[in-house]
Amino acid sequence: GAGVSQSPRYKVAKRGQDVALRCDPISGHVSLFWYQQALGQGPEFLTYFQNEAQLDKSGLPSDRFFAERPEGSVSTLKIQRTQQEDSAVYLCASSPAESLQREKLFFGSGTQLSVL
Amino acid sequence: AQKITQTQPGMFVQEKEAVTLDCTYDTSDPSYGLFWYKQPSSGEMIFLIYQGSYDQQNATEGRYSLNFQKARKSANLVISASQLGDSAMYFCAMFESTGFQKLVFGTGTRLLVSP
Repeated sequence: GAGVSQSPRYKVAKRGQDVALRCDPISGHVSLFWYQQALGQGPEFLTYFQNEAQLDKSGLPSDRFFAERPEGSVSTLKIQRTQQEDSAVYLCASSPAESLQREKLFFGSGTQLSVL
Repeated sequence: AQKITQTQPGMFVQEKEAVTLDCTYDTSDPSYGLFWYKQPSSGEMIFLIYQGSYDQQNATEGRYSLNFQKARKSANLVISASQLGDSAMYFCAMFESTGFQKLVFGTGTRLLVSP
């Protein structure tokens, strides 16, 4: 596709339910990022992949959050036993470069997760 | 410590006028980059402009320019000749060359352009 694609666009989950959010980056993009954006806030870093390697997961808020990118392309962010505080927009971004020096990120439209 | 500070929660401007959105940052890394992104109601973050810490000149991209004052650690975005389609959230973000690969974002400024 032409841009970063995320699915589903909206997800409603009951508290305690597991969810999986998908990101299709631009073909050939090496770097992939997940961000969490709470209502009225800026995006907060969650995790970073370079190809299939997860190089930084320092932003994952708890061990309920897990991300993978097994073949270096599509990535999935999984949240187990969802809590109300997990409600947010989850943004995926990709870049053709390994370094962000002078390189912009290409963002998807995000998945809006609402936990009831 | 907050890395990126955007003190203006909201700004109003009339169509065709210029507007400045403020951004200050905090870093001890001599090599860093500053980005501005626009987020319309559709949710997608759109890259606007980039300024490297060693760039000699202020960055410009069409109607967007960056007023980079390194000593003051500020990187304000100037939008000239505002258009109705400029109404959106605007985020300032910073990349540091040392440490981990990530952009750190500010809390954003909502810009509303009126006819």
